[in-house]
Amino acid sequence: EADIYQTPRYLVIGTGKKITLECSQTMGHDKMYWYQQDPGMELHLIHYSYGVNSTEKGDLSSESTVSRIRTEHFPLTLESARPSHTSQYLCASSGMGRSTEAFFGQGTRLTVV
Amino acid sequence: DAKTTQPNSMESNEEEPVHLPCNHSTISGTDYIHWYRQLPSQGPEYVIHGLTSNVNNRMASLAIAEDRKSSTLILHRATLRDAAVYYCILRGYSGGGADGLTFGKGTHLIIQP
Repeated sequence: EADIYQTPRYLVIGTGKKITLECSQTMGHDKMYWYQQDPGMELHLIHYSYGVNSTEKGDLSSESTVSRIRTEHFPLTLESARPSHTSQYLCASSGMGRSTEAFFGQGTRLTVV
Repeated sequence: DAKTTQPNSMESNEEEPVHLPCNHSTISGTDYIHWYRQLPSQGPEYVIHGLTSNVNNRMASLAIAEDRKSSTLILHRATLRDAAVYYCILRGYSGGGADGLTFGKGTHLIIQP
């Protein structure tokens, strides 16, 4: 069973609010990832990290920011939520090798009203 | 990152074998072939991976072409719970990229009872 957790599972919030989506893993993985996925659509990589103090932008431009101060924790922040940010956000982690599997959290479904 | 090509959708009957193809003609010699699947309303989960030889695990089998330009995920006896989107991805050296953990559209597998 994957030891990667996302909170909250569901969030409805008003426009202009600052939000932080939490992602934690207990597997000691150096690599962590954030994806955005609209219903029935592709997974889009928006941020990733190779370890503490490492953050990179993914293929899809996003107004969100991330930080990696601890190995196990990779939070995603939106400074000012907008309705266009409504989506599902998925977090994943992986070991360093090319043959290691990645583990995904259950996701946070964000609705901005 | 090397790209993969998969059919948009496939349909199969319950309790029959399913062969899901993936083309990766630009694969490099060090890329691993990974398969993930995403059940409705869940995050993706790992299915299987391989480098050159065919692989079997409790979920599926992976058949890799001799030239490695294509592979096939085999579900030996599909059940309704196997209905999901199946993703074929390549994981190569990190080298500054997101290490190949990017997902395309995948194949939407429909299982008929």
